[in-house]
Amino acid sequence: SAVISQKPSRDICQRGTSLTIQCQVDSQVTMMFWYRQQPGQSLTLIATANQGSEATYESGFVIDKFPISRPNLTFSTLTVSNMSPEDSSIYLCSVGRLAGSYEQYFGPGTRLTVT
Amino acid sequence: DQQVKQNSPSLSVQEGRISILNCDYTNSMFDYFLWYKKYPAEGPTFLISISSIKDKNEDGRFTVFLNKSAKHLSLHIVPSQPGDSAVYFCAARRSGYALNFGKGTSLLVTP
Repeated sequence: SAVISQKPSRDICQRGTSLTIQCQVDSQVTMMFWYRQQPGQSLTLIATANQGSEATYESGFVIDKFPISRPNLTFSTLTVSNMSPEDSSIYLCSVGRLAGSYEQYFGPGTRLTVT
Repeated sequence: DQQVKQNSPSLSVQEGRISILNCDYTNSMFDYFLWYKKYPAEGPTFLISISSIKDKNEDGRFTVFLNKSAKHLSLHIVPSQPGDSAVYFCAARRSGYALNFGKGTSLLVTP
């Protein structure tokens, strides 16, 4: 499996500000994803980060709120914009390596608290 | 709408015994299922998966059983070890590579 790192590991932010989370993979991967885990809830897919094109967002998530970049096959960023306390969550990136294989491998997560 | 459900938030098992974690789903279009293990302050770690064309997949101490007619799967850990204490998530492939996750079951293996 790939080695995935995320920065920052945690942050406390004020409402109305924005935070950019970075995800770095140690090898080229075809697919990268961003998830959110709100307190006491399951992991929810935010979007698929597409290399060289706009991300594909899941229902309920929009680009203005969660802009995503993927400039190459090893790196992606997720920005949480205009934050409110409801955005307090763990944000995780994941990667899928093999075409036809559905296993995803997760980074350690970024714990975000919005005050 | 929670399409993947783990109805037991927690489970306690003695070391050496079998741990059985259960998962139910509602969407008959799910065709691939996965189990993940998560330790505190870490991301989920992939454990084992099963395709909907199978009813059992085994990997060492871990076995996943799928009952399509009941829309139910279970993860068996035999024998359970204290290092297995973690939160276990069930996930199902919805479409493409999108996964639906359950809320997790916290397993505690006591010595």
